[in-house]
Amino acid sequence: QKEVEQNSGPLSVPEGAIASLNCTYSDRGSQSFFWYRQYSGKSPELIMFIYSNGDKEDGRFTAQLNKASQYVSLLIRDSQPSDSATYLCAVRGPTGNQFYFGTGTSLTVIP
Amino acid sequence: DAGITQSPRHKVTETGTPVTLRCHQTENHRYMYWYRQDPGHGLRLIHYSYGVKDTDKGEVSDGYSVSRSKTEDFLLTLESATSSQTSVYFCAISSGSFGNTIYFGEGSWLTVV
Repeated sequence: QKEVEQNSGPLSVPEGAIASLNCTYSDRGSQSFFWYRQYSGKSPELIMFIYSNGDKEDGRFTAQLNKASQYVSLLIRDSQPSDSATYLCAVRGPTGNQFYFGTGTSLTVIP
Repeated sequence: DAGITQSPRHKVTETGTPVTLRCHQTENHRYMYWYRQDPGHGLRLIHYSYGVKDTDKGEVSDGYSVSRSKTEDFLLTLESATSSQTSVYFCAISSGSFGNTIYFGEGSWLTVV
């Protein structure tokens, strides 16, 4: 079983819609959780992180964490064509030294 | 800008030759990582370092070695490159503090022919 699982997509949403990206993780001892965005041919860049149960909002992005269900999600409101990218979920392991990544979900926002 | 520089950015090499990728950071972070990224596999940890001369293996370390003789430099060596090591290699850094994430360099594209 992989440490971090994501639906690979592709996910397509119309411009202005809400995009919902999901991630599950296997290790209950995981400490904190991250969402990265990666454009084709570029390196991953951090969008936001969360480590407490509940929601965390940053502009058009909301991360949601449910540790009981071992589930993390990212909502993108008012999706823009510039949001078209691959979104990577990452989990910081129990030791705090290692980070585990999902395979990513490809998102396309259609104008 | 996380102050990470990878070199070379692109390299084509022949099977069986040694290859060294360099990661240089300017912010004195304790932790440095080497990941490779392949379609269908995502980012996979090769090796990481938690200080000068302190390194540990990741999930795909076979065929790779690393060295860290200075805080700012973390080298990844492919002793004898194989076609299966054709990939994009990302260096990353972290301060190691709780809540801190890792930040990536721009990547090194390696093709083994």
